[in-house]
Amino acid sequence: DAKTTQPPSMDCAEGRAANLPCNHSTISGNEYVYWYRQIHSQGPQYIIHGLKNNETNEMASLIITEDRKSSTLILPHATLRDTAVYYCIVGDSNYQLIWGAGTKLIIKP
Amino acid sequence: EPEVTQTPSHQVTQMGQEVILRCVPISNHLYFYWYRQILGQKVEFLVSFYNNEISEKSEIFDDQFSVERPDGSNFTLKIRSTKLEDSAMYFCAKGLAASNEQFFGPGTRLTVL
Repeated sequence: DAKTTQPPSMDCAEGRAANLPCNHSTISGNEYVYWYRQIHSQGPQYIIHGLKNNETNEMASLIITEDRKSSTLILPHATLRDTAVYYCIVGDSNYQLIWGAGTKLIIKP
Repeated sequence: EPEVTQTPSHQVTQMGQEVILRCVPISNHLYFYWYRQILGQKVEFLVSFYNNEISEKSEIFDDQFSVERPDGSNFTLKIRSTKLEDSAMYFCAKGLAASNEQFFGPGTRLTVL
């Protein structure tokens, strides 16, 4: 079973920051937090990952709380093309990813 | 990041037939994965492949499934005798290192009639 909890859906206005929360209260010390997204039945797309420090790349920022029990993915200026299902996944250096249901993010004009 | 390509994009087969799904071409990657997603459901891990061997497999990946890299670049998933419940999108993914930063292909839609 997935080790994360996410809201099933969220809306965000185009041009605003989209903040997607994720709870992972049972995360262990060597496990990373990964974010992927899936746009309408396309292949999932890697976004970002982190261990305990906040991370930023060209797509998004990842904020991990100090106790590592939750995190937030931030899309700074959401566009209509960011409409997708966003998956928060906790995993270590093992190979498989255990997927939950994710958050369906709808960007509205 | 170089693309992961998959063929065919859509495969229709009769129940009991064998199908081979392909991930092409892949080079300079050591870690490969197959996932499936039944329509409207979660993405499910099937198998991981490293150094030409299966590293991990899920309960779904039973004796009806097999994987190989027949020519050192293509990565294939074979289903020996398809069942109706095998109808799904099948995604191939690759990784450059032993991490969960994986790059997915566009998928093959398998329809079993």
